[in-house]
Amino acid sequence: DGGITQSPKYLFRKEGQNVTLSCEQNLNHDAMYWYRQDPGQGLRLIYYSQIVNDFQKGDIAEGYSVSREKKESFPLTVTSAQKNPTAFYLCASSIGGHLQFFGPGTRLTVL
Amino acid sequence: AQKITQTQPGMFVQEKEAVTLDCTYDTSDPSYGLFWYKQPSSGEMIFLIYQGSYDQQNATEGRYSLNFQKARKSANLVISASQLGDSAMYFCAIAGGTSYGKLTFGQGTILTVHP
Repeated sequence: DGGITQSPKYLFRKEGQNVTLSCEQNLNHDAMYWYRQDPGQGLRLIYYSQIVNDFQKGDIAEGYSVSREKKESFPLTVTSAQKNPTAFYLCASSIGGHLQFFGPGTRLTVL
Repeated sequence: AQKITQTQPGMFVQEKEAVTLDCTYDTSDPSYGLFWYKQPSSGEMIFLIYQGSYDQQNATEGRYSLNFQKARKSANLVISASQLGDSAMYFCAIAGGTSYGKLTFGQGTILTVHP
């Protein structure tokens, strides 16, 4: 089955720790994206990558970092510089147009 | 820059009736695409329907149709014959032709379908 997987489903972090969220896709899509969703809100773009070894900041990139070493993978690191990281994180991919398909998401909670 | 406005925080509809979810947008791109996604309580985002800015006809996908009024900059989602499973959060989003892959989402509308 083709799709997008995100792990873990739930993640708990202590203040001051960096954590990495995994996103893998086997759809052979070129572009991948990370979004953040706060309760009752829409999605906001953190980072996106159109091709391997290249990525761009989205609207709320501060406190986050990404890498794109493989076409299938686009991990997101939430660093200690992110002041309020508790949120729902969604990864998406697209084949070059705008239509994006989403993974199931990771809920991050800072303890 | 792009902006999506969804003015209905919550909507209620009786099962088997139709419902319209409002979406207005703003963009400086001459070419753009409009999307509707459904987000059930589980959290995943499910693509419903797409409308391109140059499409001559309103998009339809099964029970979903898009009432696209370009001059008014509105792209309302119409769900016909509502089902209990339609209860979810619905998001309108836009991607401009010069903003490759950058979807801008609205705040969403929570739809509740009553039996």
